Amino acid sequence: EIVLTQSPGTLSLSPGERATLSCRASQSVSSNYLAWYQQKPGQAPRLLIYGASSRATGIPDRFSGSGSGTDFTLTISRLEPEDFAVYYCQQYGSSPKLTFGGGTKVEIK
Amino acid sequence: EVQLVESGGGLVQPGRSLRVSCAASGFTFDDYGMHWVRQAPGKGLEWVSGISWNSGSIGYADSVKGRFTISRDNAKNSLYLQMNSLRAEDTALYYCAKDRGVGTTYFDYWGQGTLVTVSS
Repeated sequence: EIVLTQSPGTLSLSPGERATLSCRASQSVSSNYLAWYQQKPGQAPRLLIYGASSRATGIPDRFSGSGSGTDFTLTISRLEPEDFAVYYCQQYGSSPKLTFGGGTKVEIK
Repeated sequence: EVQLVESGGGLVQPGRSLRVSCAASGFTFDDYGMHWVRQAPGKGLEWVSGISWNSGSIGYADSVKGRFTISRDNAKNSLYLQMNSLRAEDTALYYCAKDRGVGTTYFDYWGQGTLVTVSS
């Protein structure tokens, strides 16, 4: 099973700042099959990024994904008030055994 | 508009069984794989189980293998999760999620979840 470790656990930033979230895999993720989700309190997760770097439909271009192999990054170029949330990475390269990272909370400083 | 509506959650005693359901609409249900993902209170996301469009491929997390059974009825546009021998650690919000198709098992639509509480 591929274990995903997200860091930091919490990121305290101000609106307008840049956020950089990390997701590290215990082994190489096949074909860079890595997705990112955003979850706000009381809501279901929302798909942001798939294939490590492709934005899902309707996702603003301030969100970008990068990386390959075992190291992946989600970058939010300029934080908007609605971006403060918890972010999860998920690998689907070892389907049908899918795994999520533990999450990074982006909070207002 | 894609809609996934879960139902069937509730309070159940340890060791008992429960079946949760997901009613899908707004897309061609039998074109896509479907999954259950759970979230314990205050915790992160955990993939539980997934089933391919034709039920030919099924997978389970190690934590539920042998106790939970996923199934689907394409004629009814419905997904199910039969949960047996429930434990306190199975307490969670259970989400139904749709994947993008063969080889693309990430989740583009999610339901709002149904809460399962295992307690005596």
